[in-house]
Amino acid sequence: KAGVTQTPRYLIKTRGQQVTLSCSPISGHRSVSWYQQTPGQGLQFLFEYFSETQRNKGNFPGRFSGRQFSNSRSEMNVSTLELGDSALYLCASSLAGTGEQPQHFGDGTRLSIL
Amino acid sequence: SQQGEEDPQALSIQEGENATMNCSYKTSINNLQWYRQNSGRGLVHLILIRSNEREKHSGRLRVTLDTSKKSSSLLITASRAADTASYFCATDRSSNYKLTFGKGTLLTVNP
Repeated sequence: KAGVTQTPRYLIKTRGQQVTLSCSPISGHRSVSWYQQTPGQGLQFLFEYFSETQRNKGNFPGRFSGRQFSNSRSEMNVSTLELGDSALYLCASSLAGTGEQPQHFGDGTRLSIL
Repeated sequence: SQQGEEDPQALSIQEGENATMNCSYKTSINNLQWYRQNSGRGLVHLILIRSNEREKHSGRLRVTLDTSKKSSSLLITASRAADTASYFCATDRSSNYKLTFGKGTLLTVNP
């Protein structure tokens, strides 16, 4: 079974631009979560989607948005990029998204803002 | 805000030794999970322990949970160089569909 796939692996943008990151979950998994990882703040929860519905959202500005498609693939978008958005963005999938199940992570997208 | 706090932040040991990492959290939880992250990679799930469990084993891993102290520990026995990684605890509360991670312990196992 293929794991969680995130594309692209690396991305360099400049301030003010926008970016879209993609995540393909494990086949059969309907929950997709996104996390931002930085050295200073650690792993911060962005949002979780299940069957195309956002069920929870972390404490991030509205510049951060996401969506999920009918095939469970998910995208997140960051608009008006700031230097502080430089981070590793991780996507995780699970069958139902509850804390009783392990989450399966992709290797992330490393976003660098110049 | 971080729910879990791992201790120590960094740990360096020799191959064959045991490694113990601790995690404390602030509020009541349903479950607690431990993950490993190798440098530049995603997280890998190690073990899940439910709030009504006190101890769980998986291979060389042993996890304990003390809900009265709001703390958990991860013990890796007979460590190997390949165990070098960051280890995170993550807590789940009341089915709010998110895991809250601590900042992790960086474990270095020297050959």
